[in-house]
Amino acid sequence: KQEVTQIPAALSVPEGENLVLNCSFTDSAIYNLQWFRQDPGKGLTSLLLIQSSQREQTSGRLNASLDKSSGRSTLYIAASQPGDSATYLCAGSTSNQFYFGTGTSLTVIP
Amino acid sequence: DVKVTQSSRYLVKRTGEKVFLECVQDMDHENMFWYRQDPGLGLRLIYFSYDVKMKEKGDIPEGYSVSREKKERFSLILESASTNQTSMYLCASSSDNPLATTYNEQFFGPGTRLTVL
Repeated sequence: KQEVTQIPAALSVPEGENLVLNCSFTDSAIYNLQWFRQDPGKGLTSLLLIQSSQREQTSGRLNASLDKSSGRSTLYIAASQPGDSATYLCAGSTSNQFYFGTGTSLTVIP
Repeated sequence: DVKVTQSSRYLVKRTGEKVFLECVQDMDHENMFWYRQDPGLGLRLIYFSYDVKMKEKGDIPEGYSVSREKKERFSLILESASTNQTSMYLCASSSDNPLATTYNEQFFGPGTRLTVL
């Protein structure tokens, strides 16, 4: 069964720093890779989707990349802001199944 | 924009009660999912459905059942609620159409925080 690991589990950075969140899979045969943001007590908000034919996606200050050969994805956040504080989850999919990591809790200190 | 709604944000029930959690999506998605999320355990799939009246067990189906009578609606049923079913329940949907720009992208509802006393 696919297992997803996110490192680090928690991260605290000063405002303005660039940062990288990591996601790795035990089985590199994933189809799509999706990054989510979750605020406390809320549902998951989709940030970026990397489809099978793509290697990266960008949205504003966010950039996600996927290396299928190694089973790794990274989420890069540029010029972090306090409003970026949240838990970030990655999920890989194979057909109709989605496999989630346990998340990285990010705190951006003003 | 895709919208996934869940019937309640917060719910408090007593042990032994039958509980219905409802989820509705407005994007004509074929696939719908129910997860529960607990601290330290992440998201765990309870059931999913890839078509009307179709259902598949996920990783933790025990104590739950589901119903999908219409494409837009997916219900999670706790036949006899127990305290260990206190959790955050999240519904999601996704498209099965390879031509859609959001193909295989999951969209989540706001969640239902269920407490069983």
